[in-house]
Amino acid sequence: QSVLTQPPSASGTPGQRVTISCSGSNSNIGSNTVDWYQQLPGTAPKLLIYRNNQRPSGVPTDRFSGSKSGTSASLAISGLQSVDEANYYCAVWDDSLNGRVFGGGTKLTVL
Amino acid sequence: QVQLQESGPGQVKPSETLSLTCTVSDGPISTYYWSWVRQSPVKGLEWIGYIHYTGSAKYNPSLKSRVTMSVDPSKNQFSLRLSSVTASDTAVYYCARGIYEKWEFDSWGRGTLVTVSS
Repeated sequence: QSVLTQPPSASGTPGQRVTISCSGSNSNIGSNTVDWYQQLPGTAPKLLIYRNNQRPSGVPTDRFSGSKSGTSASLAISGLQSVDEANYYCAVWDDSLNGRVFGGGTKLTVL
Repeated sequence: QVQLQESGPGQVKPSETLSLTCTVSDGPISTYYWSWVRQSPVKGLEWIGYIHYTGSAKYNPSLKSRVTMSVDPSKNQFSLRLSSVTASDTAVYYCARGIYEKWEFDSWGRGTLVTVSS
């Protein structure tokens, strides 16, 4: 049972916009910044969004965005492409656990 | 672009100690926080802990009694030791870099599978 709750799966058709949620508590999302990782099959996680809504260089600005409100965060993917099929994880520091925690991951399928 | 590479035995016997090293290349080991993260089908992604280049460390409370991390700035390496392993420690182990203890991991190693089996 993860400290952060994500839907196990999400799907969309090419060109659509999908949103993946990440629910936490006051001790983690409510107090610290959230990051998102994309993990393609057989590869290491890759930083997609950091500090709630910042994109590393190389991540398309018009397709991936992050937001946070209270104890929840969201990742939005616009203009869905087949290459976006991957697992997506949210992560944050938890002040109560005094450590970093991850969501259980969301498997995104492009139909 | 910094590169991280995990190395160590791919199989460890139950009750023994798992030892891994992460070599950092094309970038300094100083000023950063260096973490170990593992991933298994059962537990998903799990943060094991971090070590700062100064040697200060913080561990996941659920693993704290079995984990030791160390850093060798002269070799641009940091290491993980996990004692008294069981089958539930079987996972892909990643090393990762953070700028600040509470912030994101901006670079990851490719990961190494460690299987606990006799």
